[in-house]
Amino acid sequence: GAVVSQHPSRVICKSGTSVKIECRSLDFQATTMFWYRQFPKKSLMLMATSNEGSKATYEQGVEKDKFLINHASLTLSTLTVTSAHPEDSSFYICSADDNRNSGRPWADTQYFGPGTRLTVL
Amino acid sequence: DAKTTQPPSMDCAEGRAANLPCNHSTISGNEYVYWYRQIHSQGPQYIIHGLKNNETNEMASLIITEDRKSSTLILPHATLRDTAVYYCIVRVALGSWGKLQFGAGTQVVVTP
Repeated sequence: GAVVSQHPSRVICKSGTSVKIECRSLDFQATTMFWYRQFPKKSLMLMATSNEGSKATYEQGVEKDKFLINHASLTLSTLTVTSAHPEDSSFYICSADDNRNSGRPWADTQYFGPGTRLTVL
Repeated sequence: DAKTTQPPSMDCAEGRAANLPCNHSTISGNEYVYWYRQIHSQGPQYIIHGLKNNETNEMASLIITEDRKSSTLILPHATLRDTAVYYCIVRVALGSWGKLQFGAGTQVVVTP
């Protein structure tokens, strides 16, 4: 299967600082990437859909000024948590559609990155 | 969005087939059924997906009923490394970039 990487895998920061997380599709181009967050013992919650060259679409309740998403190329999307606070501590996971086969988003295989563990002190 | 219902947990014996059920009675005609699994503290791993025909790959088989209201994921020979949370997801189709909405999933524990 296709590979999606995330960097860093872990980050610890002080309250009030900003943290950038990178998501890369390594062996395919992805016009659409997704960002999720997951709290301990909970399921994944979709935060936003990131489309290359356009603004991200955020799910209801997700603050777009707090979670800045940039999808500047077909292989890279970034999530910046601005002015992080302890309640932002979570597991952040990205995914990307491999649309080489069908071109229909709902029929493509979506591959996930390994996740980034953010701890805000 | 079509919702899915899965049992919260299942135990399976190592070496035996594991059959994971999923109900999706409100699925629409062009919506695919996807299965992922997540091992603790890792990103979800893609397993298989299908529309209406049964599908098989190196990891598993997906059996979808003729009315498409339910499906079963079959792991043919469960190993201890198959212990994970398994998610059955009906993928939203038109107008939403095909986003995936995760439910609670089934915690599968494979025992020796």
